[in-house]
Amino acid sequence: KNEVEQSPQNLTAQEGEFITINCSYSVGISALHWLQQHPGGGIVSLFMLSSGKKKHGRLIATINIQEKHSSLHITASHPRDSAVYICAVIKGAQKLVFGQGTRLTINP
Amino acid sequence: NAGVTQTPKFRILKIGQSMTLQCAQDMNHNYMYWYRQDPGMGLKLIYYSVGAGITDKGEVPNGYNVSRSTTEDFPLRLELAAPSQTSVYFCASNRQGVVNTEAFFGQGTRLTVV
Repeated sequence: KNEVEQSPQNLTAQEGEFITINCSYSVGISALHWLQQHPGGGIVSLFMLSSGKKKHGRLIATINIQEKHSSLHITASHPRDSAVYICAVIKGAQKLVFGQGTRLTINP
Repeated sequence: NAGVTQTPKFRILKIGQSMTLQCAQDMNHNYMYWYRQDPGMGLKLIYYSVGAGITDKGEVPNGYNVSRSTTEDFPLRLELAAPSQTSVYFCASNRQGVVNTEAFFGQGTRLTVV
């Protein structure tokens, strides 16, 4: 079993829908990253959080350290949000453990 | 700002050939990393560096070597390419390490070994 599990693996939705991507992990961590991988392959950091909630535009990330769970929400989704979203937890010094990613497709 | 620049973007190698994947960052970051991404799998850490002259192994270092002679550059060397090294390779950097700051990634190098 992977130390970091994301769900769902694939998600297709209509433009405007509220999107939730989940990340569960089985190891003790100090913080967690959410990353976005564009169709062209580039990876961009969206959030780094260790507690509570962070918001950036239409994106909201939450984390519950006790329950070992984080969620990424997208409000008013748009086709340009189509990408692979990756959760990565910080385990020990300098080690990121990555989930396998969630492929999101937003149809117009 | 260029950020993290990787070259080449694509490469096909024959078994047993060698090559160097280049990575450069212009943000004066101390920490740099090499990851590989296999289909359906999460990224795996190959090697990392916490500063010029200092490198350390990650989860999957076998078959690779790195050097860090300057803050800006962190090349990854494949000495004897094998089909198992077919993957997409990402270089990343950040200022204070993954615990404290966001990471910046290169565009990736898609390597096929035939």
